[in-house]
Amino acid sequence: AQSVSQHNHHVILSEAASLELGCNYSYGGTVNLFWYVQYPGQHLQLLLKYFSGDPLVKGIKGFEAEFIKSKFSFNLRKPSVQWSDTAEYFCAVNWGSSNTGKLIFGQGTTLQVKP
Amino acid sequence: DGGITQSPKYLFRKEGQNVTLSCEQNLNHDAMYWYRQDPGQGLRLIYYSQIVNDFQKGDIAEGYSVSREKKESFPLTVTSAQKNPTAFYLCASSTWDRGRGEQYFGPGTRLTVT
Repeated sequence: AQSVSQHNHHVILSEAASLELGCNYSYGGTVNLFWYVQYPGQHLQLLLKYFSGDPLVKGIKGFEAEFIKSKFSFNLRKPSVQWSDTAEYFCAVNWGSSNTGKLIFGQGTTLQVKP
Repeated sequence: DGGITQSPKYLFRKEGQNVTLSCEQNLNHDAMYWYRQDPGQGLRLIYYSQIVNDFQKGDIAEGYSVSREKKESFPLTVTSAQKNPTAFYLCASSTWDRGRGEQYFGPGTRLTVT
């Protein structure tokens, strides 16, 4: 079955620390990959997405993610986090073979950044 | 302002009652989705619709029903058959774009059933 796994459920960092959140999906084929973020009290919104081409993609607010096809992974990174990055982060995958817009989400990672 | 509206923000119901959650979008998107968000489980897809008058079950459709009579609207009914209805419900919409369309989310409805 199609599934998405996020390894870190709760991450606590100090400001200026580097961030890497893991995301793996169950099997290959054509995939469309997304990271969404939910800031406290706000709507879920798109951070970045990958469909094809350069496997290193840049998103909003200094976030980037790297697609490693051989590892079925799409990890999210940020070199230096800020207190305002405190939020819940979700990885989501659309399998192109489904021919739908259906997304499978990971369990989410809660990031707490201490000032 | 373009976007997705969900109402109400909080909803309380007694066990055994059906309840309908509203979702409206003015983004002219063809596709709409309903998710359920529970702590530690991420978002799970309940139903989705890619076009008016058509919808498909997602991963956890049991105990839920939907309709898509208008492009702008995709209401979700939580029936008394849903065993654990208390949850946060999110509606989203997107363009089709071969599964690449960014999904735009509403503010959610928190349903509590006692």
